[in-house]
Amino acid sequence: AQSVTQPDIHITVSEGASLELRCNYSYGATPYLFWYVQSPGQGLQLLLKYFSGDTLVQGIKGFEAEFKRSHSSFNLRKPSVHWSDAAEYFCAVGAHYGGSQGNLIFGKGTKLSVKP
Amino acid sequence: NAGVTQTPKFQVLKTGQSMTLQCAQDMNHNSMYWYRQDPGMGLRLIYYSASEGTTDKGEVPNGYNVSRLNKREFSLRLESAAPSQTSVYFCASSVRANTEAFFGQGTRLTVV
Repeated sequence: AQSVTQPDIHITVSEGASLELRCNYSYGATPYLFWYVQSPGQGLQLLLKYFSGDTLVQGIKGFEAEFKRSHSSFNLRKPSVHWSDAAEYFCAVGAHYGGSQGNLIFGKGTKLSVKP
Repeated sequence: NAGVTQTPKFQVLKTGQSMTLQCAQDMNHNSMYWYRQDPGMGLRLIYYSASEGTTDKGEVPNGYNVSRLNKREFSLRLESAAPSQTSVYFCASSVRANTEAFFGQGTRLTVV
């Protein structure tokens, strides 16, 4: 079965420091991959997506992610974290569930705290 | 642009009561989804509709029913609410299956 693992439940970084959030997936074919961000009390907002092509993708708010097929990973990075980046981050994979239809499978999320 | 609109935003139910969560999207998307979010569990798919006229069970469908009323609207019904259904419910839509989903603001449901 398809699955998404985010190994870190909670990460704290200092403002201005670099950030890397890990995501590993299990899927039999080349997946579609996504990162979403959720601020408290809000819905999920798409940060970036990977469908095919260049394995380094750029997203909104200065985030980027790299698809590594050999590692089954799609890690999210940001060179310099801002206090407003404090939120919960979800990795998702586009997969097939049940019959021939598809939907997104989400990891359990990584909560990011930012120290001043 | 409204995007995905869910109503209500908050609801408290007594065990055994029924209710319908409403969802509408104005992006002309084909696919729509209902997820529930519980602490430490991420988002789990309840039901989805790949296109108008079709619905399929997701990971956690028990205790729920859905209706794809038309291309814009996808409702979730709890026939007899249970405390285990206390959760935050998100509706989402996408152009087609497997593409990026756009989410509503969520409905926080408490069953007492």
